[in-house]
Amino acid sequence: GQNIDQPTEMTATEGAIVQINCTYQTSGFNGLFWYQQHAGEAPTFLSYNVLDGLEEKGRFSSFLSRSKGYSYLLLKELQMKDSASYLCAVRPPPGNTGKLIFGQGTTLQVKP
Amino acid sequence: SAVISQKPSRDICQRGTSLTIQCQVDSQVTMMFWYRQQPGQSLTLIATANQGSEATYESGFVIDKFPISRPNLTFSTLTVSNMSPEDSSIYLCSALGEGVIEQYFGPGTRLTVT
Repeated sequence: GQNIDQPTEMTATEGAIVQINCTYQTSGFNGLFWYQQHAGEAPTFLSYNVLDGLEEKGRFSSFLSRSKGYSYLLLKELQMKDSASYLCAVRPPPGNTGKLIFGQGTTLQVKP
Repeated sequence: SAVISQKPSRDICQRGTSLTIQCQVDSQVTMMFWYRQQPGQSLTLIATANQGSEATYESGFVIDKFPISRPNLTFSTLTVSNMSPEDSSIYLCSALGEGVIEQYFGPGTRLTVT
C-alpha cells in the first residue's frame, strides 16, 4: 500500500525557520517531491530528492532518508508569502510512469 | 518549463449532466495527467492521458465516469459524466516533459454540482 503522512497544520513567525516533516511507506520509491500550493492556485514545484541527503535551493532545503522513509522541507527566513500548503509526494515505481502520490499536505501559516 | 491552461476555470452544473474540461500545454510533453482535489484535501491521480490510445486509470476511477482524450502531445480533455454532488471538486491537469523531473500543473477547474 501507499501511505504518506504530514502534519496537517503548522504556524511560524516571520523571519524564523520552519521544518515540515513527511514520512512515507510505499511499495517502492523513485523520488520524493515537495510542492507549494497557495489557496486557489496550482501546485508549484519546490524540490526533488532521489538520493539520501540535503538539497538546497535558496531559502528552501529538502532532506531525504530512504532507509527511514523520511523527508523534511526546511524554510528559512520565513516571509508572509510563504503562507501556503506544502505537499509531499512520492513517485512510485516504475519511475517512467511519471505518477505522483501526494500526502494530505501541511498548511503553514506565517504570522508577523 | 511548461505553461498549462485549463478551460473552464470554474462551473456550476446540475446533477446528471456532464462537463468536459480542456487542458492545453504550451509545449510538447510526453505525459499528461488528470488529478482531483476535493475540498480541503490533497491531490488524487485520476488517470494518465495517453496520446492516441486509451487512458490509464487509477484504482477507483473508470472510463465510463471519466472519459479522457488526448489527440496530440499538447492537448487533453477530461469529461466528468453523469455528475453528482460528490463530484464537486477541483480538477487539475498536469504535464511532464521528456527527461524532466518536475510535473507542472494547470490552474485547475473548480466544479460544483448541485
